[in-house]
Amino acid sequence: GENVEQHPSTLSVQEGDSAVIKCTYSDSASNYFPWYKQELGKRPQLIIDIRSNVGEKKDQRIAVTLNKTAKHFSLHITETQPEDSAVYFCAASREGSGTYKYIFGTGTRLKVLA
Amino acid sequence: KAGVTQTPRYLIKTRGQQVTLSCSPISGHRSVSWYQQTPGQGLQFLFEYFSETQRNKGNFPGRFSGRQFSNSRSEMNVSTLELGDSALYLCASSPYRVREQYFGPGTRLTVT
Repeated sequence: GENVEQHPSTLSVQEGDSAVIKCTYSDSASNYFPWYKQELGKRPQLIIDIRSNVGEKKDQRIAVTLNKTAKHFSLHITETQPEDSAVYFCAASREGSGTYKYIFGTGTRLKVLA
Repeated sequence: KAGVTQTPRYLIKTRGQQVTLSCSPISGHRSVSWYQQTPGQGLQFLFEYFSETQRNKGNFPGRFSGRQFSNSRSEMNVSTLELGDSALYLCASSPYRVREQYFGPGTRLTVT
């Protein structure tokens, strides 16, 4: 069935260092890959997304890369700050399929140490 | 625009009871999806509604059901509650033809 694996489950970095979170999806028809940030007690918030016709997308300190052949995509956060501490979820979806079903990874708890 | 709202925010029920959760999407959004979030399983897709029709359903038992009204508001119902149904239930809405989903704050359900 459809599945998204996410690693690592927890990640601790020093402030100013980079953080990388990796996801692998199983459904080769997936073509839309959003990333969500969920702070403690708050709702998930979309932080960046990428579509399968693009290999990389960047927004200030965050970037996402996609390797369709390997069915693999990653979130990169540079110059991490304490406010980046949260749980990050990747997801995969089929855009244009007529449904908005997301398959989520199990999340990565990122801790940025001051 | 006001964001996605969910009511109630917290709920405590006992095993065997049923519960109804409500979700009001962002104005103009016609798609509403529901997810169950638990510490061990992350976010799992329950179902998605568009224009009052269920378009997709996740791998949950028939005790979980939902509906959408003509104003796009959605409800989900869980019957014969089990301890394992304790979770945060999130709904998300999307504009027509746009992939991004916007989440509500969730309803925290505790089954005792």
